[in-house]
Amino acid sequence: QKEVEQNSGPLSVPEGAIASLNCTYSDRVSQSFFWYRQYSGKSPELIMSIYSNGDKEDGRFTAQLNKASQYVSLLIRDSQPSDSATYLCASTSGSARQLTFGSGTQLTVLP
Amino acid sequence: EPEVTQTPSHQVTQMGQEVILRCVPISNHLYFYWYRQILGQKVEFLVSFYNNEISEKSEIFDDQFSVERPDGSNFTLKIRSTKLEDSAMYFCASNPATNEKLFFGSGTQLSVL
Repeated sequence: QKEVEQNSGPLSVPEGAIASLNCTYSDRVSQSFFWYRQYSGKSPELIMSIYSNGDKEDGRFTAQLNKASQYVSLLIRDSQPSDSATYLCASTSGSARQLTFGSGTQLTVLP
Repeated sequence: EPEVTQTPSHQVTQMGQEVILRCVPISNHLYFYWYRQILGQKVEFLVSFYNNEISEKSEIFDDQFSVERPDGSNFTLKIRSTKLEDSAMYFCASNPATNEKLFFGSGTQLSVL
């Protein structure tokens, strides 16, 4: 069974610090990886997608993928209180279109 | 930015009743999905729909569930006989192709009493 595991937290960081969020996945054929942000009571919002090993940067966000270790992470630089949310890791495998989500990590950025 | 629209935002029903959740995907998108999230739990895949038929479904999507695209714009999820455990936030989503950004609607909170 495909599993995506996340440290549920909660994770608290001071404003301006780097927040590091981690995710592991069990399905070795997983090909595409996504980080979503979900505010309480709202729908998931895509932040980053990553498909190949290495780092991908977009503004204050950097996604890192290591397929050998089955590990994907998200770094948020210069964290802001508005970044406070639950961050969901998700993956897809092969031709499957469905996203498998982790349980999410709750991040709080303290002013 | 274009949006996926879901109605109603809240639905309260009695156990055993039928409910229909409605979605209007983004107009040029070809793939449509339903996900659900029980309070405090993971977002779970229910079903994907392409070219007027189901392309994938999860174990959750049993005979009590059905989907339909009755016209060129709406995409519906029907639960025939609701159970208490069907209480959840139901998200509709769409994308133009399978490897492209998935757009989620704002969700329908279903409460089964």
